[in-house]
This record gives sequence, C-alpha cells and structure tokens, in this order.
Amino acid sequence: GAVVSQHPSWVICKSGTSVKIECRSLDFQATTMFWYRQFPKQSLMLMATSNEGSKATYEQGVEKDKFLINHASLTLSTLTVTSAHPEDSSFYICSAREYQPEGWGQSTEAFFGQGTRLTVV
Amino acid sequence: AQSVTQLDSQVPVFEEAPVELRCNYSSSVSVYLFWYVQYPNQGLQLLLKYLSGSTLVKGINGFEAEFNKSQTSFHLRKPSVHISDTAEYFCAVSDLGGSTLGRLYFGRGTQLTVWP
Repeated sequence: GAVVSQHPSWVICKSGTSVKIECRSLDFQATTMFWYRQFPKQSLMLMATSNEGSKATYEQGVEKDKFLINHASLTLSTLTVTSAHPEDSSFYICSAREYQPEGWGQSTEAFFGQGTRLTVV
Repeated sequence: AQSVTQLDSQVPVFEEAPVELRCNYSSSVSVYLFWYVQYPNQGLQLLLKYLSGSTLVKGINGFEAEFNKSQTSFHLRKPSVHISDTAEYFCAVSDLGGSTLGRLYFGRGTQLTVWP
C-alpha cells in the first residue's frame, strides 16, 4: 500500500517553544490530509482536515492559532504546535487520502503515518 | 453526525482461541466501516473495510468482520488468535463523500491481549 511518513517520530521540547511535525505521502499525491491526536489509552480525535492549497478545516474545540496546519504541496502537510505547554503532550498522527479524479469509489483508504510522540517539559 | 461504540475496552484471550471484538455505530447517513490495528507507539494499519456488497468482509492476518445494517454493527472476528495479534483495535466510520470525504470517526479502541 501507499506510504505516509511522519517526522519526527518523537520530540521533546521546552514549554513555550514551537514544534513542527511533517507528514509526507511518499509514493502518491494526497489532496487531503487529516491530523489526529491521541491521548494515552484513548481513541484518535480528529483535529483538522487539510486540503492542498487551501486553509485547513478545524474541528470544534481545536485552537487553529495554536495548531497551525499548512498543506503546501500534494505530498506534504505540516502541523506546528505553537507555544507548546505540557498539556499539549500527546501522540499526533496524520493520514492522507490519495488523489483520485474519479472520486471516492476508487480511493476509500486513508493511509496513516507512524505518529509523532510530543512531550513538552 | 457519526459515532462509534466499541463495547469492550479490553479483551483477554488465550492463544488459538477465537475472538470477537464488538463495534456498533450510529449515523443518519450511509457510511463506510473500517477496522484498524495499532501496535505500541505506531500508526494505524488497516485490517479491513466495508464499502458495499457482501456483508462479510475478509481482511489481513486472518481477520474478518460482518456488517449488520439492522443492528448497526460491524464486529471483528478471528477464529484462532496468535500472540502477535496483541494490539489495540479501532473501529471507525467514514462519510461517503462531500466535503468531509475521508474523515474517520473512531471508537475508543479495544485492547486485545493474547496469552500463551
């Protein structure tokens, strides 16, 4: 299947600093990428939907000024956690849906990155 | 809006025994259904999906699931588990299309632990 790569796999940062997480589709073009957050022993919670060339759509309750999402190309989306605090510590996972001009019927799978463990100290 | 309920947070089972992980969903529209597996500190791997057609879906690693529209369920089964199946399993639903195309709504997960 298609490969989605997230970088870094883990990061430790000081409170008040910003952290950027990259999500790349390695062998396909992704018009849409999704960013999820997962707390320990809990499910994935969708944070935002990122479309190439346009502003991200954030889920209710997600601070868009804190979690900056940029989808500059068909293979790269970035999530920047600004002014990180310990409560932002979490596992962040991206997924990407392959661009299919024929529509959803031919592309029903979203491929997931391996996740990024963020620890803010 | 869609929601997913995974009825069991933890399922312990002995090796070579059968297992069923339960999933129920609610939605006002037709949806696609998925099961994913997550190993510690890793992303999600797709086990199987239901889009349309046969209600019995076969996936990787010997897993299968059955879509039951009347009961709004999509339970995951495996006739004989291995220790390597120990992982967190997530059931998810997705809208069929439109602006929310590809968005997944996840259940809380079921930790499957296989004992020797």
